Amino acid sequence: DADVTQTPRNRITKTGKRIMLECSQTKGHDRMYWYRQDPGLGLRLIYYSFDVKDINKGEISDGYSVSRQAQAKFSLSLESAIPNQTALYFCATSDRGTSGRTYEQYFGPGTRLTVT
Amino acid sequence: ILNVEQSPQSLHVQEGDSTNFTCSFPSSNFYALHWYRWETAKSPEALFVMTLNGDEKKKGRISATLNTKEGYSYLYIKGSQPEDSATYLCAFMSNNQGGKLIFGQGTELSVKP
Repeated sequence: DADVTQTPRNRITKTGKRIMLECSQTKGHDRMYWYRQDPGLGLRLIYYSFDVKDINKGEISDGYSVSRQAQAKFSLSLESAIPNQTALYFCATSDRGTSGRTYEQYFGPGTRLTVT
Repeated sequence: ILNVEQSPQSLHVQEGDSTNFTCSFPSSNFYALHWYRWETAKSPEALFVMTLNGDEKKKGRISATLNTKEGYSYLYIKGSQPEDSATYLCAFMSNNQGGKLIFGQGTELSVKP
């Protein structure tokens, strides 16, 4: 079984609709992240959370919100989807690692979202 | 705004060629530099996490070096194989940005048999 899972894997929605992307992990990591990937732009951070009570905005948080329901679950919402939110979305988790400072990230399989 | 640059953006080589690409990052407030490999239709997977100036890491035919004073890291692939075809991402973590990773735009490697 995958350590980091995302649902749905693919979604087509219309402009103005509310949509939620869900992420679950079984790695026991405290830190969770949401990224979006657009061609030629690499991965850009939307929101991140270092524990259940800690939520932080990333570089492109406008138009998105998140909820950390439990250590293992981190959801991303688009309140009113718009076409330029069409992208590939990744959830990731990390912890300190065996050396105590690596914070290597483990990615989910991605959600391909299309807003028409 | 922290900037992480990777070059080249894409690279096409023949099987057996050795290749290298560059990641440039801020030379101040360094905490760690990550390399990830991202194959088409899969998720990015960590190759290396480097934390000390002068670090060299190796995994099979792939190796990486780190120069934190001048702000660059090189990734080398010796004797490229078609299965090395992927996008290689580097990501910088500073010691004053709350543990976030800033990713470069990636180098897309294509290895022809």
